[in-house]
Amino acid sequence: DVKVTQSSRYLVKRTGEKVFLECVQDMDHENMFWYRQDPGLGLRLIYFSYDVKMKEKGDIPEGYSVSREKKERFSLILESASTNQTSMYLCASSLLAQNYGYTFGSGTRLTVV
Amino acid sequence: GQQVMQIPQYQHVQEGEDFTTYCNSSTTLSNIQWYKQRPGGHPVFLIQLVKSGEVKKQKRLTFQFGEAKKNSSLHITATQTTDVGTYFCAGSTSGTYKYIFGTGTRLKVLA
Repeated sequence: DVKVTQSSRYLVKRTGEKVFLECVQDMDHENMFWYRQDPGLGLRLIYFSYDVKMKEKGDIPEGYSVSREKKERFSLILESASTNQTSMYLCASSLLAQNYGYTFGSGTRLTVV
Repeated sequence: GQQVMQIPQYQHVQEGEDFTTYCNSSTTLSNIQWYKQRPGGHPVFLIQLVKSGEVKKQKRLTFQFGEAKKNSSLHITATQTTDVGTYFCAGSTSGTYKYIFGTGTRLKVLA
């Protein structure tokens, strides 16, 4: 069974901490994405990557950065966590062509206190 | 920037009733996808529509893509309690790998 694995299901961090959210996929997908999901706002794209070491900003990149050193791994970094970054973070991957749906991870619920 | 809106935001139906959610984009789309997210779960890909006016069916679910490729709908016939969840549409424009997700419609089915 193909999988997108997010390292933590729940995470609590303090304001100002540097936070790493890890995502690994075993499907040899080229594209990887980070979304955040908030009630009433749906899923909003933070960053995506279509190749190793490539990244593009999504709609809400402020306060975040990403790293993709290997094809299977896409990391989201909160440089200095703030309370407004409390959210559900979803990682997804897909094949390069537009015709394929995303496979999502189970999500990481991050609380910044 | 591109926006994708969905209505309604919430819908409660009696089991056996029909349900429809509508998706509208501010820009013309190259294709549209639909996802279902069960309570406490993550979005799961249901289907993709590519052609103008396209209609696809999956058992009790019917998906339509508008002629102008700016809107789409998902219709569920005779809802069941297993249909509970949030349904998202996601649209993509030509030349990009990214999809913009709609705000979602949360469906509750009352037994």
